[in-house]
Amino acid sequence: DAKTTQPPSMDCAEGRAANLPCNHSTISGNEYVYWYRQIHSQGPQYIIHGLKNNETNEMASLIITEDRKSSTLILPHATLRDTAVYYCIVIPGTASKLTFGTGTRLQVTL
Amino acid sequence: SAVISQKPSRDICQRGTSLTIQCQVDSQVTMMFWYRQQPGQSLTLIATANQGSEATYESGFVIDKFPISRPNLTFSTLTVSNMSPEDSSIYLCSVSSHGTGGGRYGYTFGSGTRLTVV
Repeated sequence: DAKTTQPPSMDCAEGRAANLPCNHSTISGNEYVYWYRQIHSQGPQYIIHGLKNNETNEMASLIITEDRKSSTLILPHATLRDTAVYYCIVIPGTASKLTFGTGTRLQVTL
Repeated sequence: SAVISQKPSRDICQRGTSLTIQCQVDSQVTMMFWYRQQPGQSLTLIATANQGSEATYESGFVIDKFPISRPNLTFSTLTVSNMSPEDSSIYLCSVSSHGTGGGRYGYTFGSGTRLTVV
């Protein structure tokens, strides 16, 4: 599976957009980009995933570059409840296991 | 997406003893996984629980230490054997209900078991 690189931490003011980058330069054609988050002391929560098109759901937007070597998770209006560790994971389209990197610790502040 | 019930939610155990953690899913799932999260660390995959056959363990994890059962498509157990303080971690069950990484709901996680070994 392709390796991902994320900044270890980021801050965001409440109400502003949080843009979390992820580099996956070795991604292959059949690999999806998944985003999960883990709020303190809870199990990871699915946010969004995509293959090559940009995606949006009720939680976030996912922007994938045309060459698919990087992506950005966007939380349009961050709240204090969005404070968590965010994991970007690349996995193939067939059944596979999730391998977690170190993620980005997002701190949303007043 | 599947709903997971993981028990116990937390426990404090004496060193040298064993603890069995249960993972119950409200629907049949293709794949079940067990993860460990040591304090302040990311999640590490222990093994994939295979229905009707032996689990597939990741490098660094062995069956004698972490025996796993999966008698059917909705239930699995992980046992942490002969515990030491280094086993103090959060243990999480995860399932994939669609059998493919590109499925709409991807992978679902239980709330975890917080284990402290004293």
